[in-house]
Amino acid sequence: GNSVTQMEGPVTLSEEAFLTINCTYTATGYPSLFWYVQYPGEGLQLLLKATKADDKGSNKGFEATYRKETTSFHLEKGSVQVSDSAVYFCALMDTGRRALTFGSGTRLQVQP
Amino acid sequence: DAGITQSPRHKVTETGTPVTLRCHQTENHRYMYWYRQDPGHGLRLIHYSYGVKDTDKGEVSDGYSVSRSKTEDFLLTLESATSSQTSVYFCAISEGELGGNEQFFGPGTRLTVL
Repeated sequence: GNSVTQMEGPVTLSEEAFLTINCTYTATGYPSLFWYVQYPGEGLQLLLKATKADDKGSNKGFEATYRKETTSFHLEKGSVQVSDSAVYFCALMDTGRRALTFGSGTRLQVQP
Repeated sequence: DAGITQSPRHKVTETGTPVTLRCHQTENHRYMYWYRQDPGHGLRLIHYSYGVKDTDKGEVSDGYSVSRSKTEDFLLTLESATSSQTSVYFCAISEGELGGNEQFFGPGTRLTVL
């Protein structure tokens, strides 16, 4: 079946540091890949997505590239802010059910 | 923000009692989903719906049932709640491919089963 593996957190960074959160997946076919973000006490919001190999999703300074050869979709940001503190989820789309398979989430804490 | 509401937002109940959670949307999206969120597991799919009266099971469906009698409402029922069903429950909606497969999530319901 489908699965998503994320690096365990928490990840603690100082403001303006470079961020990488690793994500790898196992899937049949050619899934779409997503990063969702969850701020404290809220539901999930879509951060970015990519639908085919070599696509790069980007939003709010975050980027991730769909790498089919390494089955990866790592999230990066060049300079994090305190407001980026949240839990980040990598996910893939099961094209049959149109449902998401999530990784376990990575908590990011950014210190001033 | 997508128009999704969940009710109740918080509930404490006792083992063995029935519980129904409601998800209501104002977006007229075709697909609706129920997920549960637990530490170390991310979100896991319980059930989903691809139209009125059309539902199917997800990966953690045991102990749960759903119903969708109208486009806008998707109900999740725990027939006899157990402590293992203590969790945060999220509803999501999607237009499917028409909307780029993006899912929009509700604010969540925190359920505690004592």
